[in-house]
Amino acid sequence: EAQVTQNPRYLITVTGKKLTVTCSQNMNHEYMSWYRQDPGLGLRQIYYSMNVEVTDKGDVPEGYKVSRKEKRNFPLILESPSPNQTSLYFCASSLSPPGRGLGVYSNQPQHFGDGTRLSIL
Amino acid sequence: AQSVTQPDIHITVSEGASLELRCNYSYGATPYLFWYVQSPGQGLQLLLKYFSGDTLVQGIKGFEAEFKRSQSSFNLRKPSVHWSDAAEYFCAVKADRGSTLGRLYFGRGTQLTVWP
Repeated sequence: EAQVTQNPRYLITVTGKKLTVTCSQNMNHEYMSWYRQDPGLGLRQIYYSMNVEVTDKGDVPEGYKVSRKEKRNFPLILESPSPNQTSLYFCASSLSPPGRGLGVYSNQPQHFGDGTRLSIL
Repeated sequence: AQSVTQPDIHITVSEGASLELRCNYSYGATPYLFWYVQSPGQGLQLLLKYFSGDTLVQGIKGFEAEFKRSQSSFNLRKPSVHWSDAAEYFCAVKADRGSTLGRLYFGRGTQLTVWP
């Protein structure tokens, strides 16, 4: 079954304790992305990756790191979490970036994971 | 920079009534536009997308949206709402070129409540 898997689904932790949220997709997608969702703000893109070893900042990258060493994995790293990073996080992937690609690779929708709810105390 | 505005934070309709959710975007060229739906506790599901061509786009679950360049709008419609349509709806826009290629901008969402 095609899916995007995030772990953990829920985490409560304390300020300053490094944490990693993993994201894995089994669809051989090139494009992966992280979003955070906050009430009244919708989804905001944190980082995205066009392919292995290619990452770029989204709208709200401060306080986050990512890596893309393999095509299937795109972990989100909070080196020193702070309470303002309490949020609901979504990972997404698509065969090609939204709106890009040719032929069968064009217009590919993003597949979203089920979300990770982080609480930083 | 691209931006998306969803003017309505919360909309309530009766089951069977028609629905229109508004979305306005800001972008200099022809944008790529999307509508997503999020059910409680779930991730986002793509309803429909517009890239070019016919300005009336059909999506899943009986939804459609119309791209109007003159109004910078991409409103989502459904002729008859079902109780299962209760969810949060997000409009999104993506740049097709330049340094922001790959970035997706979401509106703040519209929460839909359906009365039986």
